[in-house]
Amino acid sequence: EADIYQTPRYLVIGTGKKITLECSQTMGHDKMYWYQQDPGMELHLIHYSYGVNSTEKGDLSSESTVSRIRTEHFPLTLESARPSHTSQYLCASTHKGQGGDTQYFGPGTRLTVL
Amino acid sequence: AQSVTQLDSHVSVSEGTPVLLRCNYSSSYSPSLFWYVQHPNKGLQLLLKYTSAATLVKGINGFEAEFKKSETSFHLTKPSAHMSDAAEYFCVVSDSGYSTLTFGKGTMLLVSP
Repeated sequence: EADIYQTPRYLVIGTGKKITLECSQTMGHDKMYWYQQDPGMELHLIHYSYGVNSTEKGDLSSESTVSRIRTEHFPLTLESARPSHTSQYLCASTHKGQGGDTQYFGPGTRLTVL
Repeated sequence: AQSVTQLDSHVSVSEGTPVLLRCNYSSSYSPSLFWYVQHPNKGLQLLLKYTSAATLVKGINGFEAEFKKSETSFHLTKPSAHMSDAAEYFCVVSDSGYSTLTFGKGTMLLVSP
């Protein structure tokens, strides 16, 4: 099991605001991920990191940015929120166990941009 | 390239009856396969995973899945549904060693009394 924390759980904000979604894990996992999930849809990978100072863009293009200054922390930032950013954002980290990697997910942040 | 197809967007069962959620995959390499469950307003919880060991994988809450390479399938089953099983279920494939996941579109399981 992995403990992954995301804050805030819910956020309603106006257009043009800068927001940062927090994600942290206490298990020392090197690999971390951000997914975007629209209602009733599958998850799409938007960012991932293989360790400190490593960040990569995922399969789905996103206007958000991420940073990885510490192993346990992987925040996601939107410089200027728009209604099109309304979605659920899920953070995950990878535990390398027997038989390969397994991703564990945080509870998610549900973002609404008015 | 890898992909996942969940054949049913919704499955409705009565409490106490069997559950079958279907999943087909394609992968260029030996895949790792997962089933995750997502309850309303919650994150994803890992149910079970297949990583080239036994083809019949047992997970939490009485769920199990069978990896069938010839059919490229990884269907999720449970002998007897419980009301608390009502949730959305995602089949996921990962090419071995790359750690990036490809998700299916999800199957919503509805359980009636």
